[in-house]
Amino acid sequence: EDQVTQSPEALRLQEGESSSLNCSYTVSGLRGLFWYRQDPGKGPEFLFTLYSAGEEKEKERLKATLTKKESFLHITAPKPEDSATYLCAAHSGGAQKLVFGQGTRLTINP
Amino acid sequence: NAGVTQTPKFQVLKTGQSMTLQCAQDMNHNSMYWYRQDPGMGLRLIYYSASEGTTDKGEVPNGYNVSRLNKREFSLRLESAAPSQTSVYFCASTAAKTQYFGPGTRLLVL
Repeated sequence: EDQVTQSPEALRLQEGESSSLNCSYTVSGLRGLFWYRQDPGKGPEFLFTLYSAGEEKEKERLKATLTKKESFLHITAPKPEDSATYLCAAHSGGAQKLVFGQGTRLTINP
Repeated sequence: NAGVTQTPKFQVLKTGQSMTLQCAQDMNHNSMYWYRQDPGMGLRLIYYSASEGTTDKGEVPNGYNVSRLNKREFSLRLESAAPSQTSVYFCASTAAKTQYFGPGTRLLVL
């Protein structure tokens, strides 16, 4: 069964303190690994898609990387506005069905 | 473009009542999806529609029905609401590989 696990469940950092979020996946034939940001009371907002091991993508203070078993979302010198829940999802099989992890709730204190 | 829109934003139902959640997208996407999001459970797929005229069950379809009214609209119906259906419901659409989400409908079943 396809499975996506995120860790930690929650992470509290000081402004400027870099860290990484982990997404481990077990899917048959990965066709894409997606990262989303979700603010309270809103829908998930697309950040990145990674397709193959070794691929990296960056956006402002965020960088996503992918290996054959996991993906990392690295946050460099975060700011309070980076506080959100970060979701990862794996695409396996047809019809664009995504399997989501439970998310990591990130809090950046000023 | 409004992207993906959902109505209503919030609804309270009594057990046994019925209601329809509406979703529309203006991005000319072929595929549309309904998810529910519960604390600690992540996003779980209820139903999806790969193209106009087709619908398929996702991970948690029991107690729900869907209608793909046309290419733009995909509705989710609860025929007899139960307290276990209290959740936040998200609609999403995709044309290629990335799913774009609506703002969500918060449903409380008493």
